[in-house]
Amino acid sequence: KAGVTQTPRYLIKTRGQQVTLSCSPISGHRSVSWYQQTPGQGLQFLFEYFSETQRNKGNFPGRFSGRQFSNSRSEMNVSTLELGDSALYLCASSLVSSGSHEQYFGPGTRLTVT
Amino acid sequence: GNSVTQMEGPVTLSEEAFLTINCTYTATGYPSLFWYVQYPGEGLQLLLKATKADDKGSNKGFEATYRKETTSFHLEKGSVQVSDSAVYFCALMNRDDKIIFGKGTRLHILP
Repeated sequence: KAGVTQTPRYLIKTRGQQVTLSCSPISGHRSVSWYQQTPGQGLQFLFEYFSETQRNKGNFPGRFSGRQFSNSRSEMNVSTLELGDSALYLCASSLVSSGSHEQYFGPGTRLTVT
Repeated sequence: GNSVTQMEGPVTLSEEAFLTINCTYTATGYPSLFWYVQYPGEGLQLLLKATKADDKGSNKGFEATYRKETTSFHLEKGSVQVSDSAVYFCALMNRDDKIIFGKGTRLHILP
């Protein structure tokens, strides 16, 4: 069974641009969660999608948004990029919801904002 | 609010040494507790978990016991190997289903 895949793996953007990251969950998994990992703040929860609906949201500004498609694939968008958005963005999938089943993480997308 | 505090690294040990990585938490109610491991260039993997007080999670020689009285979930391993070198994250999940992670502890094992 293929694991969680994230594309692209690396990305360099300029301040003010926007970016879209993609996550394909493990086949059959319906929940996708997104996290931001930085050396200073560690791992922070962004949001969770289940059956195309946002179920949970962390404390990030509205510049961070996401969506989930009917095949459970998810995208995360960041608009008006800031230098502080440079981070490793991790996606995790689980069978039903992040609360009741183990989350499986992808390798992440490393975003650098210059 | 909910939070997780774990010892800062890096922690450097020789092969076959005893490992302890401390983790304490603050939460309302009775959270589930986890240890995740992140190997270089990879995402996080669940190492072990405990869902109620006095539960012991174990996997690959690692153990951690859910101690409600001390709000702790320390990770231990009796004899570490070079292949255990990684970053270890303690985490909790409360009734709101959000996972709160500690800042991670980098572990270096010397041969």
